[in-house]
Amino acid sequence: AQSVTQLGSHVSVSEGALVLLRCNYSSSVPPYLFWYVQYPNQGLQLLLKYTTGATLVKGINGFEAEFKKSETSFHLTKPSAHMSDAAEYFCAVSLSGGSYIPTFGRGTSLIVHP
Amino acid sequence: ETGVTQSPTHLIKTRGQQVTLRCSSQSGHNTVSWYQQALGQGPQFIFQYYREEENGRGNFPPRFSGLQFPNYSSELNVNALELDDSALYLCASSIGRQGASYEQYFGPGTRLTVT
Repeated sequence: AQSVTQLGSHVSVSEGALVLLRCNYSSSVPPYLFWYVQYPNQGLQLLLKYTTGATLVKGINGFEAEFKKSETSFHLTKPSAHMSDAAEYFCAVSLSGGSYIPTFGRGTSLIVHP
Repeated sequence: ETGVTQSPTHLIKTRGQQVTLRCSSQSGHNTVSWYQQALGQGPQFIFQYYREEENGRGNFPPRFSGLQFPNYSSELNVNALELDDSALYLCASSIGRQGASYEQYFGPGTRLTVT
């Protein structure tokens, strides 16, 4: 079984500041990890994913995340926030080895102040 | 390239009624997954269809059922609606009966309100 915990239901940053959204997972086997973004009244869009290989993953819109097995974490970062980054962000985990059913976290709302 | 579309965008139903939600997958995609996203929660997997057959199911009762058609569009049917069924229903399409590393493309969702 797998689970995801996103720390902080809301994160508030100033435009130009570092964005850090936290995600910790629990998995009985090596996980596949995902970050999705959801803008108001829209579906989810994949930002980035980790399956195997390099633990630092770069995604769209300047976001990146690092898989840290020892910390069971997959935190999402962006060096400089933009107003257009304001949205809901979801971390998700699924199991390598065939289980395709992803488990999503409860989401973190990113608020960007001018 | 046409993305994933869903209809209707909003729907209001009364407890006990039945509802059908529709999804058109992205061009070239033969797999459709359905999710329920309650307010303030992450999406929860309902089931997946691959080439017109159910290919996995989450922890939802049998009154949640689905279909996939030869053109790979899909329907989600919910019978005997309950107040807790009020949620955003998301459809996602992908290519192939893939493992966990698949990429899904989500539609904008259908907002269902049960009164």
